[in-house]
Amino acid sequence: AQSVTQLDSHVSVSEGTPVLLRCNYSSSYSPSLFWYVQHPNKGLQLLLKYTSAATLVKGINGFEAEFKKSETSFHLTKPSAHMSDAAEYFCVVSDEGGNQFYFGTGTSLTVIP
Amino acid sequence: SQTIHQWPATLVQPVGSPLSLECTVEGTSNPNLYWYRQAAGRGLQLLFYSVGIGQISSEVPQNLSASRPQDRQFILSSKKLLLSDSGFYLCAWSGGSLADTQYFGPGTRLTVL
Repeated sequence: AQSVTQLDSHVSVSEGTPVLLRCNYSSSYSPSLFWYVQHPNKGLQLLLKYTSAATLVKGINGFEAEFKKSETSFHLTKPSAHMSDAAEYFCVVSDEGGNQFYFGTGTSLTVIP
Repeated sequence: SQTIHQWPATLVQPVGSPLSLECTVEGTSNPNLYWYRQAAGRGLQLLFYSVGIGQISSEVPQNLSASRPQDRQFILSSKKLLLSDSGFYLCAWSGGSLADTQYFGPGTRLTVL
C-alpha cells in the first residue's frame, strides 16, 4: 500500500531564509510523487512532480524536491522564503495505475517578516 | 488547455436540507474525477472517485453520494445534510494514466447550520 508521512505539521521560517518541508513515502513500487500548495480557501496548485526521471525536480516559484530512494524521502526545499509562500503544503503519492492519490496530512508554512 | 470548474463557491445550508455540488472539466476526455472534503485545519479526505460514466467508487461511508451523468461532469449530493458535512469540498481530475497528475478545482465552502 502507498502512503506518505509529512513529518512536520507546522514550519515557521523568517523571510529570506531557507525552507525545508519533509515528506517520507511508502510504496511497493517505483512511485510518482507530488507536492501541492494550498492558499486559504483556494484549490490545490501543483508545485512539482517526480516521475522516475531526474531525482532532483524543479517546480514553480523556486521550489524543488529531491527523490531519495534509499531514505524513502521527497523533501521540498526553497533557498529563500517569501511572504507569499505562507500556505499549506501537501505531499502526495499515486498508486501504481495512476488512478488514486494518497495525501499527507499537510504542513502549514508560516513566513515571518 | 484543460480547466475545471466548481460551483457554487460558497454555500450555507440548514441541517436536513439537500445538497448538490457540481464539477465540470473542459479540454479533456474520459478523465478520472474525484471529490475530496477538507475539514477546518485538516488534510484531504477522498470521498468518491470515478473512472468513467456511471462508475463511482466510495471511499468512506456517509450520507453523501456522487454521480457522473456525463463524461466530464461530477456531482456530489446529499438528501439531508448533517452539521458534520461542513467543510471545503474539492473536485479534481486526472488523466488516469501512470504518473499522471491530479488537477484541482477552486473548491466549495459548505457551512451547515
